[in-house]
Amino acid sequence: KAGVTQTPRYLIKTRGQQVTLSCSPISGHRSVSWYQQTPGQGLQFLFEYFSETQRNKGNFPGRFSGRQFSNSRSEMNVSTLELGDSALYLCASRGGPNTGELFFGEGSRLTVL
Amino acid sequence: SQQGEEDPQALSIQEGENATMNCSYKTSINNLQWYRQNSGRGLVHLILIRSNEREKHSGRLRVTLDTSKKSSSLLITASRAADTASYFCARGMNRDDKIIFGKGTRLHILP
Repeated sequence: KAGVTQTPRYLIKTRGQQVTLSCSPISGHRSVSWYQQTPGQGLQFLFEYFSETQRNKGNFPGRFSGRQFSNSRSEMNVSTLELGDSALYLCASRGGPNTGELFFGEGSRLTVL
Repeated sequence: SQQGEEDPQALSIQEGENATMNCSYKTSINNLQWYRQNSGRGLVHLILIRSNEREKHSGRLRVTLDTSKKSSSLLITASRAADTASYFCARGMNRDDKIIFGKGTRLHILP
């Protein structure tokens, strides 16, 4: 069974630009969650999608958005990038709500200059 | 904050010794999970303990959960160099089913 796939793995952007990150969950998993990891803040929950609907949302500004497609693939978008958005963005899938264990991708490392 | 605390932030021990990491939280949970992360990679699930369980084992891992104290511990016995990684506890929140991570413990196994 293929794991969670995130693309791109690395990217560099400049302040003010926008970025879109993609996540393909494990086949059959319908829930996708996104986390931002920085050295100072650890893993911060961004949002979770299930069956194309946002189930939960963390405490991030509206510049951070996401969506999920009918095949469970998910994208997240960050607009008007700031230096502080530099981070490892991790996607994780699970079978559905209340199924516990998350399966993580390798992450997308974003650097904002 | 929903994150809670992990203790210690960093831990260095000799190979073969046992490593203990602690996790405290503030709000009601459905389950508590532990994950490992090797440098800059994705996280790998280690073990899940439900709120009605007190102890769970998996290989060299032992996890305890005390819901009255809102705390959990992860014990790795007979540590190996390959155990060097960051370890995170994650709370499966009761209210909304979010999974919230702490800041982790960096474990370094010395040869």
